[in-house]
This record gives sequence, structure tokens and C-alpha cells, in this order.
Amino acid sequence: KQEVTQIPAALSVPEGENLVLNCSFTDSAIYNLQWFRQDPGKGLTSLLLIQSSQREQTSGRLNASLDKSSGRSTLYIAASQPGDSATYLCAAHLNNNDMRFGAGTRLTVKP
Amino acid sequence: NAGVTQTPKFRILKIGQSMTLQCTQDMNHNYMYWYRQDPGMGLKLIYYSVGAGITDKGEVPNGYNVSRSTTEDFPLRLELAAPSQTSVYFCASSYDGGGLAGGPEQYFGPGTRLTVT
Repeated sequence: KQEVTQIPAALSVPEGENLVLNCSFTDSAIYNLQWFRQDPGKGLTSLLLIQSSQREQTSGRLNASLDKSSGRSTLYIAASQPGDSATYLCAAHLNNNDMRFGAGTRLTVKP
Repeated sequence: NAGVTQTPKFRILKIGQSMTLQCTQDMNHNYMYWYRQDPGMGLKLIYYSVGAGITDKGEVPNGYNVSRSTTEDFPLRLELAAPSQTSVYFCASSYDGGGLAGGPEQYFGPGTRLTVT
């Protein structure tokens, strides 16, 4: 059974710092891995999607990597800003149209 | 495009009551999904649909039913509400559920916060 774990559960950094969020999954047979942002009381906003054949995707200050063999993905945020404060979720898209989510990392960027 | 819309935003139910959570998307997506998110947890898939008239169970389907009579709508039905169904419910859609080329991006609605007491 696919298990998705995110570490740390919470992270607090000063503004301007570069940071890395971690996501691990137990079964490497995935279609893709997707990173989402969730603001309090809101739905999910897709940030980056990495196909199983890709190793990384970039969008602005965000870079996500995928290493299927080790069951890991990272989300790198450069030059963090207070507006980046949110919960970040990773999700592994399984071969049977199922999607397994991690519990998220709650990020706080202090001005 | 409005994207994925959900109604209601909030609801309080008594144990044993029933209700339908509505979900509509205007992106002509084939695939639609229902998830629940418990406090401090990730999302868990309840049901999904690959097109009108076709539905399938996800990870946690017990206590729920769905139907998909049109491409746009994917309502979730709770027949006998229980306290364990207190959660935030998210609907999502995507153009295609997956394939050898890899799965697509999912778009989420704002959620319905349900409390069963």
C-alpha cells in the first residue's frame, strides 16, 4: 500500500531564506507526483507536477525534484517571502487513478 | 471559467440525517474526484469518475454514494450521517485520469466543511 510522508510537519523560517520541503513515498510505481499549496480554509492550488519520466520541474522561485528509485521528492523554495506561508502538500498519482496525499508541511515565513 | 465549484460551503448535520454535496466543473474535464481531509491529515480519495455514467471507489468509500449523469456534475451523497464523517470535503477534476504518458494536473474546488453532531 502506498504511503506518502512529509517531513517536517511544520517549518518556520525568516524571510529571504531558501528552504527545502521533503516528501517520501513507499511504492515507486507512480504516474506523477504533484505539489500543492493550501491556504487556511481554502482549497488546493497546484504548484508543480512532475511526470514519472521527469526528474524536476521549475516554476518561478519553486523547483521540485523527483527520484523514483529512492521514493523521494523535494520542493525547493528560493528567497522565501511571507506570502509563501501556507501548508504544502505532496501527492503521488497511482496507476489506478488513485492519488495518495501526504499530511503536509505547514510553512511560516516571518518578516 | 469558474473552475470547480462546490456547495454548500458549510453544513451541520445531525446523526442519521442525509445530504448531498454538490460539485460542478466547467472545464469539460472527463475525470472528477471526491476527497475528504481530516484535521492535520492529507486528503483521502472517496470516489472518482472517469466520465458520465462511470464511477468507482477510492480509498474510503464507506458511507458515501456518488452519481455522474453529466460531464459537469458529480454529487456526493451521505445517507446516514455519522460523527466520523465530520471533515472537509474537496471535489477535483482533471482532463484525463492517467495513462502511460503520465497523469494530469488536478484542479480543486474550495471545499465543503461538514460537521455531524
